[in-house]
Amino acid sequence: EPEVTQTPSHQVTQMGQEVILRCVPISNHLYFYWYRQILGQKVEFLVSFYNNEISEKSEIFDDQFSVERPDGSNFTLKIRSTKLEDSAMYFCASSEGLSSGYNEQFFGPGTRLTVL
Amino acid sequence: AQSVTQLGSHVSVSEGALVLLRCNYSSSVPPYLFWYVQYPNQGLQLLLKYTSAATLVKGINGFEAEFKKSETSFHLTKPSAHMSDAAEYFCAVRLRTGFQKLVFGTGTRLLVSP
Repeated sequence: EPEVTQTPSHQVTQMGQEVILRCVPISNHLYFYWYRQILGQKVEFLVSFYNNEISEKSEIFDDQFSVERPDGSNFTLKIRSTKLEDSAMYFCASSEGLSSGYNEQFFGPGTRLTVL
Repeated sequence: AQSVTQLGSHVSVSEGALVLLRCNYSSSVPPYLFWYVQYPNQGLQLLLKYTSAATLVKGINGFEAEFKKSETSFHLTKPSAHMSDAAEYFCAVRLRTGFQKLVFGTGTRLLVSP
């Protein structure tokens, strides 16, 4: 069964460093998302991406964040200069992007980012 | 804007007892509604979804939820809890138009005692 994969599963970094979180969405999916979950809190939407551009972003997704689809399979989230408060579990999701139907979002297992 | 309220950050039940996890939503138009489960150190797994006219929705692992428009609720139930049901449960809402983001509730941790 096709699934969304994410690497690494756990990333530890120093404050101020850049990190790139990687995701491989399901191969025929066209819509991609990043969500994050700070420990003990709810899952929050960061950004959605379609046709090589951001379609929606939240207030959390400030200039420190960027997303990219560098090739036909990967979808990345970059944090330019990490802060302590960026420590969270980051989930990637993808959906088919059909013009009809509810387009279920399939989630990856997450990357736990720890900023020291 | 949509929002989700989950009453009770923790719910404790005994094995074999009824599970009831509450979810109320706020949306300007009829939304899609979802329940996700998260086991410790794992990702989000879709339990069930409301996307059509059928108000009683059955999901995996014996869970079901009923959409009640008049009460703006989508409570999750299971007749008989199992130890393996211990996890965090998230209710989520999404607009039906386009490819909208999911808006999650704060989650309810289900504890099951023997």
